[in-house]
Amino acid sequence: AQSVTQPDIHITVSEGASLELRCNYSYGATPYLFWYVQSPGQGLQLLLKYFSGDTLVQGIKGFEAEFKRSQSSFNLRKPSVHWSDAAEYFCALSGTYKYIFGTGTRLKVLA
Amino acid sequence: DSGVTQTPKHLITATGQRVTLRCSPRSGDLSVYWYQQSLDQGLQFLIQYYNGEERAKGNILERFSAQQFPDLHSELNLSSLELGDSALYFCASSVGTTGNSPLHFGNGTRLTVT
Repeated sequence: AQSVTQPDIHITVSEGASLELRCNYSYGATPYLFWYVQSPGQGLQLLLKYFSGDTLVQGIKGFEAEFKRSQSSFNLRKPSVHWSDAAEYFCALSGTYKYIFGTGTRLKVLA
Repeated sequence: DSGVTQTPKHLITATGQRVTLRCSPRSGDLSVYWYQQSLDQGLQFLIQYYNGEERAKGNILERFSAQQFPDLHSELNLSSLELGDSALYFCASSVGTTGNSPLHFGNGTRLTVT
């Protein structure tokens, strides 16, 4: 079965601290993976995507993600979080005929 | 700006009514997807169209229908509305049909059913 799991519903970090949001997937072949961010009242914005090749992908706003096939993971990272990063983050997988989204991780940033 | 336009931004209507949500995809994108986002259900895939034809169906109720027109814009029709239909409805577009075509989302239509 194809699925995406984001184990953390909420995460709170202090501004300037590092961030890692977890994403695990289940898929029978090499997946296409994405991270999206949603600010309150807004649509989802694409942060980065993994198709193939280099397992460390760079995205917008200083985010990066690492694809680990052995762990079926695609975790999102940022070295230093800014208050404006407070939002909800969605991991997604491109499966057969549809995209599968995780349930999201809501990030709170403490000043 | 994703290039995907959704109208209206907000819609308030009564139970039993019918509404139409409109979406214009990003220039060059042939696929349109509709999603429903609510607090208790998360982001739910409703339906996908590719170049005017229905390609995939998700958790779309029979009271809901959609279509994609020759100019590639799409409409989502919601009828016999219930309180539980209150949600954010997103349209997204992509060049192809899944695979390595990322989705680009509009800012959504917030539907409130009273």
